[in-house]
Amino acid sequence: EPEVTQTPSHQVTQMGQEVILRCVPISNHLYFYWYRQILGQKVEFLVSFYNNEISEKSEIFDDQFSVERPDGSNFTLKIRSTKLEDSAMYFCASSGGQGDKPQHFGDGTRLSIL
Amino acid sequence: QKEVEQDPGPLSVPEGAIVSLNCTYSNSAFQYFMWYRQYSRKGPELLMYTYSSGNKEDGRFTAQVDKSSKYISLFIRDSQPSDSATYLCAMSSPYNTDKLIFGTGTRLQVFP
Repeated sequence: EPEVTQTPSHQVTQMGQEVILRCVPISNHLYFYWYRQILGQKVEFLVSFYNNEISEKSEIFDDQFSVERPDGSNFTLKIRSTKLEDSAMYFCASSGGQGDKPQHFGDGTRLSIL
Repeated sequence: QKEVEQDPGPLSVPEGAIVSLNCTYSNSAFQYFMWYRQYSRKGPELLMYTYSSGNKEDGRFTAQVDKSSKYISLFIRDSQPSDSATYLCAMSSPYNTDKLIFGTGTRLQVFP
């Protein structure tokens, strides 16, 4: 069964450094998402991406965050200057359509900011 | 009032039991309802996906949506130790958004 893959599984970074989290969505999907889950808290929406542009973003997704689809297969989340509070699990998801198709998630990248 | 509420558990049941997991929500615009299973250090795995009200069955799993009460349920029949995981409800509105709003998750333990 097709799946969403994310790399790396764990990223440790010094505060203030830039970090790029990578995702390969399911190949025929058109809608891409990032969510995060702080330890012990609920999964929260960050951003959705369709047709090479952001379609929606949350309050969390400030100027320090950006997303990109650099080629036909990868989808990346960049955090420009990491803060301690960015420590969380980051999940990539993809969907074959908006709303009427379910979102499928990867296993996440655990980001630890020191 | 939180948009989506879910009892965090843990819920501990013997193997073979019927498990009932529930979520309530406040936003009447929600039309798409999902249940995900999340094992430790893994991503959410889609179990059930329903649109609007009604029931949907898939093997040992049944999802129910009662929009009038703003209440959704997931039933697991003949529960197995391998069902031990955290179960997340999620929902979305069809109106200019497809972001998922998640519950906190219910931790289920099925003991042999």
